[in-house]
Amino acid sequence: GNSVTQMEGPVTLSEEAFLTINCTYTATGYPSLFWYVQYPGEGLQLLLKATKADDKGSNKGFEATYRKETTSFHLEKGSVQVSDSAVYFCALGSQGNLIFGKGTKLSVKP
Amino acid sequence: EPEVTQTPSHQVTQMGQEVILRCVPISNHLYFYWYRQILGQKVEFLVSFYNNEISEKSEIFDDQFSVERPDGSNFTLKIRSTKLEDSAMYFCASGSTGRVTGELFFGEGSRLTVL
Repeated sequence: GNSVTQMEGPVTLSEEAFLTINCTYTATGYPSLFWYVQYPGEGLQLLLKATKADDKGSNKGFEATYRKETTSFHLEKGSVQVSDSAVYFCALGSQGNLIFGKGTKLSVKP
Repeated sequence: EPEVTQTPSHQVTQMGQEVILRCVPISNHLYFYWYRQILGQKVEFLVSFYNNEISEKSEIFDDQFSVERPDGSNFTLKIRSTKLEDSAMYFCASGSTGRVTGELFFGEGSRLTVL
């Protein structure tokens, strides 16, 4: 069945460091891929998405590329800020609902 | 900006009690969802709802669970007789289309603690 495997956290970085959060998936067909973010005390918010192979989703300096050959959708940001501290969820969209990874907690220190 | 709102933010209940979690989806959305996240685990799909009926449900969503859209604005999740393992964060979501290429908008979640 469909599944998402996400890098275990927590991840602690200094401000302006480079961020990578790994995400791989298993799916039949051609799912859409998403990154959702949950800031403290808030709900899940869509950060970016990609709907087909080789698409790159980007938002707020974050990027992720849909790699069919490696079944991956790694999240990257070149220079993180304290305000990026949150939990990040990779998700796969298939057949009308989302399948989430476990989430990766990111803490950015000044 | 329109948002999905959920109440209560936290509920503590005794095992065996009935619980109703409430959600107000975004007003022009037609597709509604409940997800849950047990502490330290994945966010798991429970049920989707469209046109006043369940369109899909997971194996977690057994006979103890039910959903309802009683008045055209609220979307509720009822757990008839809570168990310890129902303790989790429950997220409501809504979408304007039934395709997951569209964005789902999530509420802040309702934390349920069953003692």
